[in-house]
Amino acid sequence: GEDVEQSLFLSVREGDSSVINCTYTDSSSTYLYWYKQEPGAGLQLLTYIFSNMDMKQDQRLTVLLNKKDKHLSLRIADTQTGDSAIYFCAETVGNAGNMLTFGGGTRLMVKP
Amino acid sequence: GAVVSQHPSRVICKSGTSVKIECRSLDFQATTMFWYRQFPKKSLMLMATSNEGSKATYEQGVEKDKFLINHASLTLSTLTVTSAHPEDSSFYICSARDGRKETQYFGPGTRLLVL
Repeated sequence: GEDVEQSLFLSVREGDSSVINCTYTDSSSTYLYWYKQEPGAGLQLLTYIFSNMDMKQDQRLTVLLNKKDKHLSLRIADTQTGDSAIYFCAETVGNAGNMLTFGGGTRLMVKP
Repeated sequence: GAVVSQHPSRVICKSGTSVKIECRSLDFQATTMFWYRQFPKKSLMLMATSNEGSKATYEQGVEKDKFLINHASLTLSTLTVTSAHPEDSSFYICSARDGRKETQYFGPGTRLLVL
């Protein structure tokens, strides 16, 4: 079955870059997403990448996809304290509106 | 951007009562809505997929008689937790699929606490 895995925790200093990694098993994934969840809140879509791309950049966010290794990463440049949150990667198969399979979430702590 | 609302945002109820959570797409028609459950410090687990006008499809291990889903219109799906127990306490999040854009939007979530 599908499986999406992430490391549990990442701590960085303010101003440094953060890299959050994710691996998945379903080779038929079509879209891969990064969501941000702040305490007590719902999910905020940060960015997504289509499976035929290997990189996408959006301001401070860079998504890298290695389809061969089924590895997805999110790089946050110049990390700020407001970036402290839980980051979930997720995949979907088929159309972008299909059900999502989430990773366990990585808690990012940014120290001043 | 597209907005999905959930109501209530927070609910506390006594054990044995039923709780209804609404999920609405505010500016688009949602052919499909999804219900997720999130346990403390855990990821989101898909509970069921709800298509307008038809019965919901439940994931393995989710009791359909316990978690009643009704997708009555293209803008509203409801999740009713029947005879709620403390172990049903959780954060329930819905998402709605915009069929025109093949995109999914998430609601802000409903925190349920069963005493």
